Amino acid sequence: QKEVEQNSGPLSVPEGAIASLNCTYSDRGSQSFFWYRQYSGKSPELIMSIYSNGDKEDGRFTAQLNKASQYVSLLIRDSQPSDSATYLCAVRPTNDYKLSFGAGTTVTVRA
Amino acid sequence: DGGITQSPKYLFRKEGQNVTLSCEQNLNHDAMYWYRQDPGQGLRLIYYSQIVNDFQKGDIAEGYSVSREKKESFPLTVTSAQKNPTAFYLCASSIAGTAYEQYFGPGTRLTVT
Repeated sequence: QKEVEQNSGPLSVPEGAIASLNCTYSDRGSQSFFWYRQYSGKSPELIMSIYSNGDKEDGRFTAQLNKASQYVSLLIRDSQPSDSATYLCAVRPTNDYKLSFGAGTTVTVRA
Repeated sequence: DGGITQSPKYLFRKEGQNVTLSCEQNLNHDAMYWYRQDPGQGLRLIYYSQIVNDFQKGDIAEGYSVSREKKESFPLTVTSAQKNPTAFYLCASSIAGTAYEQYFGPGTRLTVT
């Protein structure tokens, strides 16, 4: 079982719609959760961090964490063509300082 | 400006040559990391270090070596023993003792022919 799994893409959404990205993790004791955005040919950029159960909103992005279900998600509201990128989920496992990354979900926002 | 720099952006080498990729950060971060990314793939951890003069192997350390002589610097050497060195190499850093959120440099694209 992979440590971090993301829903397979690619995900195509119309402009203005909500893009929903999902991520599950295997280490129940994980405490820190991150979403990175990576444009083609560029390095990953941290867009959201979440540490406690519930929702965290930042602009058009909302991260949701459910530790009981070992599930973290990212919602992108009012999707724009500039949101077209690969989104990486990362989790810090218990007693470790390195992150485990998912394989990424590629999102394409069509005008 | 604080940040992570990687140089060069593009690097071309002949097979059989060792090559060293530079990574420098002025964020005063304690931990540094090297990843490899192949086209259409996720990140794979090569080496990581939390303090000076100490580092650990990641998932794909074979054919690579690192040093951590200064807090700000974490160079990666791709040796001739690495069978498929052509890839996008990413360096990252994080503050120790916190959530360890990582920040990435711009990357070096290495092509070996």
